[in-house]
Order: sequence, then C-alpha cells, then structure tokens
Amino acid sequence: EDKVVQSPLSLVVHEGDTVTLNCSYEVTNFRSLLWYKQEKKAPTFLFMLTSSGIEKKSGRLSSILDKKELFSILNITATQTGDSAIYLCAVGPTGGGNKLTFGTGTQLKVEL
Amino acid sequence: DGGITQSPKYLFRKEGQNVTLSCEQNLNHDAMYWYRQDPGQGLRLIYYSQIVNDFQKGDIAEGYSVSREKKESFPLTVTSAQKNPTAFYLCASSIVWRTGLNTEAFFGQGTRLTVV
Repeated sequence: EDKVVQSPLSLVVHEGDTVTLNCSYEVTNFRSLLWYKQEKKAPTFLFMLTSSGIEKKSGRLSSILDKKELFSILNITATQTGDSAIYLCAVGPTGGGNKLTFGTGTQLKVEL
Repeated sequence: DGGITQSPKYLFRKEGQNVTLSCEQNLNHDAMYWYRQDPGQGLRLIYYSQIVNDFQKGDIAEGYSVSREKKESFPLTVTSAQKNPTAFYLCASSIVWRTGLNTEAFFGQGTRLTVV
C-alpha cells in the first residue's frame, strides 16, 4: 500500500522564522511528488518534483526531492502570517491516471 | 473564469438518507476526482474518472457512488451504507497526459457534509 508521511503534524512559528516541512514516501512506481497549500478550503498547487536534487523555487518557498532516500522538504523563509495553512504533500504514480496519494498534511501557524 | 464548482458548500442530512454532492468543471479536463478530508488524515481518494462513462474506485469507495455522463460533471452520492459520512469532500480535476506524466490537480472549494 502506498504511504506518504508528513512531519511535523503541526508547528507554530513567529514571523520572520524559517521553517522546513518534511515528506517521506513509500510508493510503488513513483513518478512525481507534489506540494499543495490549503488555506481554507481548496488546496492550491505549489510545486511538482520529478528529479532528485533539483530545487524548485517560488519567492520565499523552495522544495527539493531525494529519490534515493524517498523524501522531500518544503522550505519557507522569512515566514509571514499569510503562510499559515495546511501544507499537503502528494505522490503520483507512473501510469495510474494521475491518481495522487496524499499525506496527512502539516498545519503551520505563523504568529506576529 | 475557468474552474471547479462544488455545491452546496454546506449540507446537513439525517442519518440513513442518500445525498448527492455536485462537482462541475469548465477547464476541459479529462480526469476528475473525489477526495474526503478528515481532521488529521489528509486527503483520501474515493473515486476517480479519466474519461466520460468510466470511473474507478479509490482507496475508500465503500458507501459512495459516482457517475460521469458528461465531461464537465462528476457527482458523488453518499449512500446510507457509508458508516461515517460526516466529512469535508473535495472534488478535483486534471489533464491526463497520454505519456502518463503526472499533472497538478485543481480543486474545488469543497462541501462540508454533516450527518445528524
């Protein structure tokens, strides 16, 4: 059975801090790993990673994948209160019709 | 604007009643998905469909049914056989590449179902 584990489950930081969110996976036929941000209802797409060691960056957010160790990290630098959300990690298979398996998510709260 | 519309946003039903959640997309996506989200459990796949008139069970299909008569629409029925139906339900859609490459899924705003 495919498995995606995220850690920590939740954390609270102060504005300006840097945070690292973790995602490890055990899946058959891995093709890609995706990160989503869920602020209120609809998750919104952040990154898709398919190759090891290549960092993807968007503003203060960055992510990298390690296919040998089967994990990914999502970094957020200079956090702001608007970064408060649930961050979801998902893995997608080869074939399988884009059927994503999600982790439990990390609840991030950024305080002033 | 293109997107996915779920309705209603909130739904209350009595135990034992079937209820249908609506999901419509105008993104011209071939694939559509239904996920259930419970606190502390992330998103779990209920059903998905890659093409009209075809769909497959996900990880937690028991007690649910779907149809895909039109490309734009993928309604989910929560039946009385679903033992714990109170949850947040998310619908999503995506492109399906013939090469099998994964693509991002676009999500609707969700329906919160409460069964009393």
